Amino acid sequence: EPEVTQTPSHQVTQMGQEVILRCVPISNHLYFYWYRQILGQKVEFLVSFYNNEISEKSEIFDDQFSVERPDGSNFTLKIRSTKLEDSAMYFCASKWTAGNEKLFFGSGTQLSVL
Amino acid sequence: AQKVTQAQTEISVVEKEDVTLDCVYETRDTTYYLFWYKQPPSGELVFLIRRNSFDEQNEISGRYSWNFQKSTSSFNFTITASQVVDSAVYFCALSEGWQTGANNLFFGTGTRLTVIP
Repeated sequence: EPEVTQTPSHQVTQMGQEVILRCVPISNHLYFYWYRQILGQKVEFLVSFYNNEISEKSEIFDDQFSVERPDGSNFTLKIRSTKLEDSAMYFCASKWTAGNEKLFFGSGTQLSVL
Repeated sequence: AQKVTQAQTEISVVEKEDVTLDCVYETRDTTYYLFWYKQPPSGELVFLIRRNSFDEQNEISGRYSWNFQKSTSSFNFTITASQVVDSAVYFCALSEGWQTGANNLFFGTGTRLTVIP
């Protein structure tokens, strides 16, 4: 079965540094998402992306966050100046069509901000 | 506003016991979808089931079954004859609205299931 691929699996960074989390969604999918999960807590929506623009974003997704689809295959999440509270597992997800289809999730990137 | 409540934070059962994971949701939309995802210790999120608000038929897939009751806004998940491999965190999630856009998923807080051999 096709997979959503995320790299790296673990990222450690110093507070204030910029990080880029990378994702390769499933190739024929059109909708892309980032979610995050702080340790032991629920999975929270960050942002959705379609047709090269943000469809919706949550309150968490402030000016420190940005997303980009730089080419036909990658989908990235950038955190400009990381804070301690950004430490979490970040999941990329994709789906092929509009509406309530299931999301396919990647294995996540564990971000640790020191 | 939408909300998904999984009141059971942790459940432990002995192997071969049946276990039911509860999910209660809130939404103002008449069209919505409910999902269950499994998160094993390896961390990925694995899709288990999707059910739309117009279909209240219960569903069975092997040892898994789901009971959807709109009257109580619940979408409970039962594992029959549990196995150690069922140990994971299980998330219930909600997606609202017609099939028109990104339709984001809103997750509950999850239930950690431990199956003891």
